[in-house]
Amino acid sequence: QVQLVQSGAEAKKPGDSLKVSCTASGYHFPGYYIHWVRQAPGQGLEWMGRIFPNSGVTNYAQKFQDRVTMTTDTSTSTAYMELSSLKSDDTAVFYCVRGGEGAQSDYWGQGTLVTVSS
Amino acid sequence: SSELSQPPSVSVSPGQTARITCSGDSLPKQKAYWYQQKPGQAPLQVIYKDSGRPSGIPERFSGSTSETTVTLTISGVQAEDEADYYCQSADDSGTYWLFGGGTKLTVL
Repeated sequence: QVQLVQSGAEAKKPGDSLKVSCTASGYHFPGYYIHWVRQAPGQGLEWMGRIFPNSGVTNYAQKFQDRVTMTTDTSTSTAYMELSSLKSDDTAVFYCVRGGEGAQSDYWGQGTLVTVSS
Repeated sequence: SSELSQPPSVSVSPGQTARITCSGDSLPKQKAYWYQQKPGQAPLQVIYKDSGRPSGIPERFSGSTSETTVTLTISGVQAEDEADYYCQSADDSGTYWLFGGGTKLTVL
């Protein structure tokens, strides 16, 4: 069965960088997009961007364009999301999501809680 | 277009029908997906491609579409359906995902 398993919770300080991993299993990893979604405490879902593992092509939301980097390692079926220059309002749960063409979405990771505090 | 709009809240009594709408200019071109999220949990897909129901999702969940609006209908609402519901789609090009702001369903 399809599974996306994310790395564990992290505590960061303002100005730090963050790298979250998402390891996929149960399907052909290169053939599906991995999207990243952020959810601040008590807030809604916010799309950050996507990567297509087969080519490494990325598309980022304008809000995160200058701070986010998404990569994949097809040898381990793992996607990574790196966010730099963290601020306190980056405190959130980050999810990876499997996606197909266009709006197609289905499986989500369990989420990674990141707390940014001095 | 870059927005999906949902009502912030919907309240119904058990056994009644709940309807949650999601409006956006890209919806005639892009499919919509609905997610249920309970506190402390990851979102769970309840509708895919406007009206499909994933395996394991109760039949009381259904989806429909009309021009720039998609609707999630929950017939015979149960207490366990109380949750936040999000619509998700994409922009006209299909490159950028969009999320609605979420609707809190309260079962009275």
